[in-house]
Amino acid sequence: DGGITQSPKYLFRKEGQNVTLSCEQNLNHDAMYWYRQDPGQGLRLIYYSQIVNDFQKGDIAEGYSVSREKKESFPLTVTSAQKNPTAFYLCASRQYSPASYGYTFGSGTRLTVV
Amino acid sequence: AQTVTQSQPEMSVQEAETVTLSCTYDTSESDYYLFWYKQPPSRQMILVIRQEAYKQQNATENRFSVNFQKAAKSFSLKISDSQLGDAAMYFCAYRRGETSGSRLTFGEGTQLTVNP
Repeated sequence: DGGITQSPKYLFRKEGQNVTLSCEQNLNHDAMYWYRQDPGQGLRLIYYSQIVNDFQKGDIAEGYSVSREKKESFPLTVTSAQKNPTAFYLCASRQYSPASYGYTFGSGTRLTVV
Repeated sequence: AQTVTQSQPEMSVQEAETVTLSCTYDTSESDYYLFWYKQPPSRQMILVIRQEAYKQQNATENRFSVNFQKAAKSFSLKISDSQLGDAAMYFCAYRRGETSGSRLTFGEGTQLTVNP
């Protein structure tokens, strides 16, 4: 079945460490997105990519980095510069065409700083 | 920048009753799309309903319908005959037209409780 796989489901990070969250899709979707979810703040866009080897900053990109070397993969690195990384992270993808309205979401990664 | 506001952090409804969740948005665009997503405790995002701004007719999907007031920039969700499985966090979301990019902007969310 086609879909988005996020891994790991739970991730623990020590202070000062970089960690990478994985997002893989087999839907042949053009665009991919990373959102951060905090209680009472909804989902906020971190980065997004509409084609391979290109990506744009979202609203809260500071302390994060991404790459899009393959169409199916869009990993997110949470760097030590991100001062409050504890949150739920959602990856999404979408076929970039006027007829396509739907975004497919992964099941998320819960990141906790210990 | 586009913004989406959900002014009701929490709502509750009795099973089989009707509830309306509010959403307002701010945009200067004329071509855009609006969505309601449901996030149950599993945290999986599920599309409930969508509305194209160019369509005057309000969208409906079974027990879910919207009241789209374009001039007022309002997009409320009505859930009829509420069921226990409707209990979830509901997010309103906005997307500009296709030629202007494809990012979704979300509201803060409304936590819906369904009482038996």
